[in-house]
Amino acid sequence: AQSVTQLGSHVSVSEGALVLLRCNYSSSVPPYLFWYVQYPNQGLQLLLKYTSAATLVKGINGFEAEFKKSETSFHLTKPSAHMSDAAEYFCAVSESGQAGTALIFGKGTTLSVSS
Amino acid sequence: DAGITQSPRHKVTETGTPVTLRCHQTENHRYMYWYRQDPGHGLRLIHYSYGVKDTDKGEVSDGYSVSRSKTEDFLLTLESATSSQTSVYFCAIRGLSSYEQYFGPGTRLTVT
Repeated sequence: AQSVTQLGSHVSVSEGALVLLRCNYSSSVPPYLFWYVQYPNQGLQLLLKYTSAATLVKGINGFEAEFKKSETSFHLTKPSAHMSDAAEYFCAVSESGQAGTALIFGKGTTLSVSS
Repeated sequence: DAGITQSPRHKVTETGTPVTLRCHQTENHRYMYWYRQDPGHGLRLIHYSYGVKDTDKGEVSDGYSVSRSKTEDFLLTLESATSSQTSVYFCAIRGLSSYEQYFGPGTRLTVT
């Protein structure tokens, strides 16, 4: 069965510092991978997605993620944190080729940014 | 904007009462999903639909039923609400490529 593990339920950084949110997945077939962001009292917004093309994926708001098959990881990074990045972030996996398959989500990581 | 609305946005109900949540989409997507979000659990799939009258169960389907009589509407029903169903409920549609999903604004349900 597929699963997603997000290491660290809370991450705190200073404004301007590197953001690194960790995600590891398990899947028996090549997966599609996603990062979503959720601001307070809002729905989830797609940040970026990996679909077996380039292993380094660029998303919105300056975020990017690198797919590493050997490490079964898809960590999210941003070179310089901004106060507006404070939110909850979810990693998700979908088994490629499975039409209608729902996303399997990690439990989320809350990012705090201090000035 | 994927054109997804959910109603109601907030609801308080009593244990044992039936509750129906509505998800409406404007872009004729085939696949629709209902998730619940609880602290420490992320999002978990309740039910999904792959077409009109075609639905299937997800990870946490007990106590929930769904219906889809039109492409644009996907209804989630709690036949007899319990306090354990207090949660935030999200509807999602699947994009046309790469299986990404787009989410509605959510419904916060409190069962007292």
